[in-house]
Amino acid sequence: KAGVTQTPRYLIKTRGQQVTLSCSPISGHRSVSWYQQTPGQGLQFLFEYFSETQRNKGNFPGRFSGRQFSNSRSEMNVSTLELGDSALYLCASSFGVGETQYFGPGTRLLVL
Amino acid sequence: GESVGLHLPTLSVQEGDNSIINCAYSNSASDYFIWYKQESGKGPQFIIDIRSNMDKRQGQRVTVLLNKTVKHLSLQIAATQPGDSAVYFCAENPLGQGAQKLVFGQGTRLTINP
Repeated sequence: KAGVTQTPRYLIKTRGQQVTLSCSPISGHRSVSWYQQTPGQGLQFLFEYFSETQRNKGNFPGRFSGRQFSNSRSEMNVSTLELGDSALYLCASSFGVGETQYFGPGTRLLVL
Repeated sequence: GESVGLHLPTLSVQEGDNSIINCAYSNSASDYFIWYKQESGKGPQFIIDIRSNMDKRQGQRVTVLLNKTVKHLSLQIAATQPGDSAVYFCAENPLGQGAQKLVFGQGTRLTINP
């Protein structure tokens, strides 16, 4: 069974731009969560989706948003990029809520 | 506030020895705990998990111990191999089984010496 896939793997943007990242969960998984990983803050929870509904949101500004489609694929969007948004963005999927989360390889975003 | 801390940021062991990585958590309501391994350039890889109704769980070469009294979690790796070199994260789910939010520790870098 294929793992979690994320596209693109690498991205370079400039301040003020917006970006959309994509995540395809493991087949059959319906829950998708997003995390931001930086050297200073570590791994931080962004949001969680199940059946196209956002169930929980982390402590991030409204510039960070996401959505989930009926096939469980998910996207996250960051608008008005700031230098501090440079990070590895990780997507994790699980069969259901409260189940083990499996991570994708991440999208490394660099904001110049 | 929510936090999952690690006692040591780095750990160096000899190949073949056993490794123990420790983790302290702060939320008494957490009922699910996970250990992940992250190699350079990769996403976190699931190692083992444990629910709060257990105090020990074993996998292949790994054992997780949970002490709810002192809110402590540990990962034991038996007969460490070069491929075990990575950063290890503990994580807790403070919202219970109704949610999917994980709170991660800062990680411990494990180095295996030949």
